[in-house]
Amino acid sequence: DIQMTQSPSSLSASVGDRVTITCRASQKINTYLNWYQQKTGKAPKVVIHGASSLQGGVPSRFSGNGSATEFTLSISSLQPEDLATYYCQQNFGIPYTFGQGTKLEIK
Amino acid sequence: QVQLQESGPGLVKPSQTLSVTCTVSGGAIISGDYYWSWIRQSAGKRLEWIGRISTDGRANYNPSLKSRVSISVDTSKNQFSLSLNSVTAADTAVYYCATYKVGLTAFDNWGQGTLVTVSS
Repeated sequence: DIQMTQSPSSLSASVGDRVTITCRASQKINTYLNWYQQKTGKAPKVVIHGASSLQGGVPSRFSGNGSATEFTLSISSLQPEDLATYYCQQNFGIPYTFGQGTKLEIK
Repeated sequence: QVQLQESGPGLVKPSQTLSVTCTVSGGAIISGDYYWSWIRQSAGKRLEWIGRISTDGRANYNPSLKSRVSISVDTSKNQFSLSLNSVTAADTAVYYCATYKVGLTAFDNWGQGTLVTVSS
């Protein structure tokens, strides 16, 4: 299985800050990488697909980058509604696997 | 926009079979645009992909569960289902159904999830 490792596991930032979350894959996965946002008690929601494509309806302050084994999710100006846990997920190979999550808190 | 709704037993006894159904609305399950998938999340743990099925019945499973899991489609009811046998407490989780859009290659629609607890 392809292992996905996120860092940091938790992150506290202020409204307006730029935040970046990193995801590393245990082998090269090209750009077969998605990012999901999960708010407490809710199902995950895709925010970035194909490593860098913004899902429809997602604010443009979200962006994704990377290829091969290293990927980032950035939020350019953090908003209170961005409070959530973020997961990366690879769909290069079956079984699809997720990172352990990054819990984003607002200071 | 496809909408998904899980229905499950809530509580299952150890060694028994867990069965959860996902009802699809807003689109026909036979459309071929999606793989119909199951994902679970144990408390405080990462998401785990269980498996998927296409509308022609081809299924793929997570090898960690393959010997115990089965996914099926009922096109007449616009539903797909998950069956997991020989359950233990480790199978206690929120079970989500989700669509994996072929062109998007991401899980773009999710049900709200249903908590299944394995306990005697």
